[in-house]
Amino acid sequence: NAGVMQNPRHLVRRRGQEARLRCSPMKGHSHVYWYRQLPEEGLKFMVYLQKENIIDESGMPKERFSAEFPKEGPSILRIQQVVRGDSAAYFCASSTGQGSGGYTFGSGTRLTVV
Amino acid sequence: AQSVTQPDIHITVSEGASLELRCNYSYGATPYLFWYVQSPGQGLQLLLKYFSGDTLVQGIKGFEAEFKRSQSSFNLRKPSVQWSDTAEYFCAVNMYSGGGADGLTFGKGTHLIIQP
Repeated sequence: NAGVMQNPRHLVRRRGQEARLRCSPMKGHSHVYWYRQLPEEGLKFMVYLQKENIIDESGMPKERFSAEFPKEGPSILRIQQVVRGDSAAYFCASSTGQGSGGYTFGSGTRLTVV
Repeated sequence: AQSVTQPDIHITVSEGASLELRCNYSYGATPYLFWYVQSPGQGLQLLLKYFSGDTLVQGIKGFEAEFKRSQSSFNLRKPSVQWSDTAEYFCAVNMYSGGGADGLTFGKGTHLIIQP
């Protein structure tokens, strides 16, 4: 039973390009959460999704960032026109539902914008 | 808004010594409480969690934590640390209230170094 799978592990993008980060939740988990970790900082909540629905995006920057969790396939965090300040580690977690507290984290995608 | 404070940014402890990492939260009700550990370049691993019941929680790798409502604290402890415990430790809370929000709020972390 594989855990939360994130790919790629490392991603390098030039300023202005698009970054696509993928997250496959644990088997049986239908809730996905994205977090961003800046150097020397804790994780910051970005967005919470269920299949085909965004439940809470209060932590998402208003521009250039979007997330989806389609009926089939992984959840995608998309960053358009990346800037150097987007360089960070992006972690995905999954759970069985609200309030369950059973979050399982992936190993993260480390985005570097050059 | 809820917040989590980890007052100690860096802690250095000798191998075999006891350890306590502090965590305080700000919230009106009792949240769900978590401690995670992150090794360099890795994801987060859950050490333990508290939802309700016994306020002393046992976790993996010999760690335990105690919830103290009066102090809004959830401190992590280990009686005898090992060199392999060197890592970043994060306290987190979930303010789930059934209203839709379900994300975790993290503290900024405590970087633990174990000296031989």
